[in-house]
Amino acid sequence: NAGVTQTPKFRVLKTGQSMTLLCAQDMNHEYMYWYRQDPGMGLRLIHYSVGEGTTAKGEVPDGYNVSRLKKQNFLLGLESAAPSQTSVYFCASSYSQVATEAFFGQGTRLTVV
Amino acid sequence: GENVEQHPSTLSVQEGDSAVIKCTYSDSASNYFPWYKQELGKRPQLIIDIRSNVGEKKDQRIAVTLNKTAKHFSLHITETQPEDSAVYFCAASNPRGGYQKVTFGTGTKLQVIP
Repeated sequence: NAGVTQTPKFRVLKTGQSMTLLCAQDMNHEYMYWYRQDPGMGLRLIHYSVGEGTTAKGEVPDGYNVSRLKKQNFLLGLESAAPSQTSVYFCASSYSQVATEAFFGQGTRLTVV
Repeated sequence: GENVEQHPSTLSVQEGDSAVIKCTYSDSASNYFPWYKQELGKRPQLIIDIRSNVGEKKDQRIAVTLNKTAKHFSLHITETQPEDSAVYFCAASNPRGGYQKVTFGTGTKLQVIP
């Protein structure tokens, strides 16, 4: 049981480049989330999904896109990377409806130069 | 939307002392309050949670209290140990809009001094 797995773990991008972060969960969770973590700002929600084929904007969605084509996978795309997107990105998943624990991936440290 | 404030941002205690972290929330519809611990370079992991129909919950050295009227909840760690050193996040979850939306506090860096 791997839980929530993110790839890659580290990445350096040049300004203007694009990339996709992959999140996979094997717990059959309905809900999946992408957060970014910056010093002193906690975890801020970028986008989320409440089920296969659905996505919605979170608190800080600008510059990011997501897709949930399969229930177990949630992809985060950066269309044109900017230095302000340098951050640690965490994917998480949880069961639906009833509020329960969110399980996090190990994080992706992204640097945009 | 929901706003969660967390204090203090940093906390240093001597080993064996108690640590208290406080959070306030703004949306009275919030009904689930988890606490996550994040060790350096690791992922956040749940350490304890409380639902709105409960005022206090305890798990060994960790306890959480909830005051719905005042809209605040607190994490209490007793007999602190060096391995308690980490960043702790509170969160509030509410079902507005038909799904459970979770808002995190900004974190408290706890340092336990041996």
